Amino acid sequence: AQSVTQLGSHVSVSEGALVLLRCNYSSSVPPYLFWYVQYPNQGLQLLLKYTSAATLVKGINGFEAEFKKSETSFHLTKPSAHMSDAAEYFCAVSVNQAGTALIFGKGTTLSVSS
Amino acid sequence: DADVTQTPRNRITKTGKRIMLECSQTKGHDRMYWYRQDPGLGLRLIYYSFDVKDINKGEISDGYSVSRQAQAKFSLSLESAIPNQTALYFCATSDPGQGGSNEQFFGPGTRLTVL
Repeated sequence: AQSVTQLGSHVSVSEGALVLLRCNYSSSVPPYLFWYVQYPNQGLQLLLKYTSAATLVKGINGFEAEFKKSETSFHLTKPSAHMSDAAEYFCAVSVNQAGTALIFGKGTTLSVSS
Repeated sequence: DADVTQTPRNRITKTGKRIMLECSQTKGHDRMYWYRQDPGLGLRLIYYSFDVKDINKGEISDGYSVSRQAQAKFSLSLESAIPNQTALYFCATSDPGQGGSNEQFFGPGTRLTVL
């Protein structure tokens, strides 16, 4: 069965610092991987997705993630945090298009201080 | 205009009441989903539908039912609401033909409180 583990339910950084949000997955077949962001009182918005085309995936708002099969990881990074990045971030996995739905991690809340 | 809409956006109800949450989409997607979000638990799948005649239970379907009235409409019902169904509910859609990844597109959510 597929699963997703997000390490750290809460991450705090200073404005301008590196953002690193960790995601590890479990899948018996090559997965599709996603990062979604949820701003306060809003729905989920896709940040980026891995679909096997390239291991380094660039998304919106300066975020990127690298798929590492050997480590079963898909960590999200941003070189310089901005106050507007404060939100909850979800990693999700889908094994293929016939998969029932996305399986989500429990989420990581990112706080950014000035 | 939003591609996936949910009504109502907020609802407060009492234990034992029947309540329906509605979802509409203009994306033309066949697949629709209902999730609930609880703090610290992420999103969990309640029901999903691959087309009008195909409805399936998800991880936490007990206490819920759904209706797929048309390709564009997917409703979630709580037959007899209980306090532990207080949560944020999301509808989502997907089109597996878009690269096969099953990327999902989410509505803005319905915040439900059961007293």
